[in-house]
Amino acid sequence: DTGVSQNPRHKITKRGQNVTFRCDPISEHNRLYWYRQTLGQGPEFLTYFQNEAQLEKSRLLSDRFSAERPKGSFSTLEIQRTEQGDSAMYLCASSASGSTDTQYFGPGTRLTVL
Amino acid sequence: GDSVTQMEGPVTLSEEAFLTINCTYTATGYPSLFWYVQYPGEGLQLLLKATKADDKGSNKGFEATYRKETTSFHLEKGSVQVSDSAVYFCALSKLAGNQFYFGTGTSLTVIP
Repeated sequence: DTGVSQNPRHKITKRGQNVTFRCDPISEHNRLYWYRQTLGQGPEFLTYFQNEAQLEKSRLLSDRFSAERPKGSFSTLEIQRTEQGDSAMYLCASSASGSTDTQYFGPGTRLTVL
Repeated sequence: GDSVTQMEGPVTLSEEAFLTINCTYTATGYPSLFWYVQYPGEGLQLLLKATKADDKGSNKGFEATYRKETTSFHLEKGSVQVSDSAVYFCALSKLAGNQFYFGTGTSLTVIP
């Protein structure tokens, strides 16, 4: 068990550019979650996968955001046409179905949009 | 809707002081309750959890009891250490476990 990993850890981009983040969950976990955390706030739910199926999406997830988990293992989160308001920490978490809900978090990707 | 409210910080304590961080929740049904901790520069780590009323979660000297009558899950530690300095998040999830609702976090600084 190597934990949840996320890449890159930091991303600086200019407004209007597209960015993509990757999350590798704990290998035996079939559930994967994306959250966004801004300074001084708790994480806010964005979306959730069970295996390769995206089962829930928050209203926070505008149409500029898209997430995939093509083979039910790693996941990517893409933000198109980034805006300064997208600057935040993007967190990934995973859990095992049938567990008592415990989610294990990665270290996050910090996005700065200039 | 479902939500979590936790006491605002920052909290500053001297080493060996008693710690309480209040957390109350609003939820339908029977949520599971969690405390996560975020040390500087690191990701969120599960500190403790409770899945039903009157359960007590405990870890590293921290405790929290799931009180359904007061819809609370207050975090306590009898004697804090400098190494406990971190941001603490209270959270809930429904039995389906599809998403968590987090509080805004409470920053704790312990001074020697």
